[in-house]
Amino acid sequence: DAGVIQSPRHEVTEMGQEVTLRCKPISGHDYLFWYRQTMMRGLELLIYFNNNVPIDDSGMPEDRFSAKMPNASFSTLKIQPSEPRDSAVYFCASSPLAPEPDTQYFGPGTRLTVL
Amino acid sequence: AQTVTQSQPEMSVQEAETVTLSCTYDTSESDYYLFWYKQPPSRQMILVIRQEAYKQQNATENRFSVNFQKAAKSFSLKISDSQLGDAAMYFCAYRSARWDTDKLIFGTGTRLQVFP
Repeated sequence: DAGVIQSPRHEVTEMGQEVTLRCKPISGHDYLFWYRQTMMRGLELLIYFNNNVPIDDSGMPEDRFSAKMPNASFSTLKIQPSEPRDSAVYFCASSPLAPEPDTQYFGPGTRLTVL
Repeated sequence: AQTVTQSQPEMSVQEAETVTLSCTYDTSESDYYLFWYKQPPSRQMILVIRQEAYKQQNATENRFSVNFQKAAKSFSLKISDSQLGDAAMYFCAYRSARWDTDKLIFGTGTRLQVFP
């Protein structure tokens, strides 16, 4: 089975530009999570979805960040406008409803650099 | 609120030897899950092992095993017969078993170096 797929793997952009990160969860998984990893703050949960519905977005840093999940096999995380402090590795993860709904499987991450 | 603490920022081990990474957590809950994730230089987060708090038996996955001490709120990872490919950051994580939360709470990680 294919794991969680993220694209692009690397993104370099200039301050003020719009950035869209993409994620395809493992087929059949009901939960999808977006994380951000930085040296200063470690791994932070930004938002997560259950059956395409956002459940908790309390980790989204500000209004410049938005996430959508239009269907069970696709999600986007958008930053508009981007700032240098958004530079980080962004991970998408998914988990099934059963047999182990507690276990999250991570994608390879997108390394974002905002100049 | 739950917290996860990894007090060893870095550890090193010689190839074929055994190393133990420490993790402690703080919670008032009785039912929860604990995990160890490995993050090699590729940055992929790879699940290493999973422990259910209500199971007293320590989880084992090949060369990886845990020492789960529920009363002490300790969850250490033992890597036996260390290999060069084990070099990575290792993160301990906690997840409540409550129905209304699905969040993973991560520690700050331990960087493991493996020397030939």
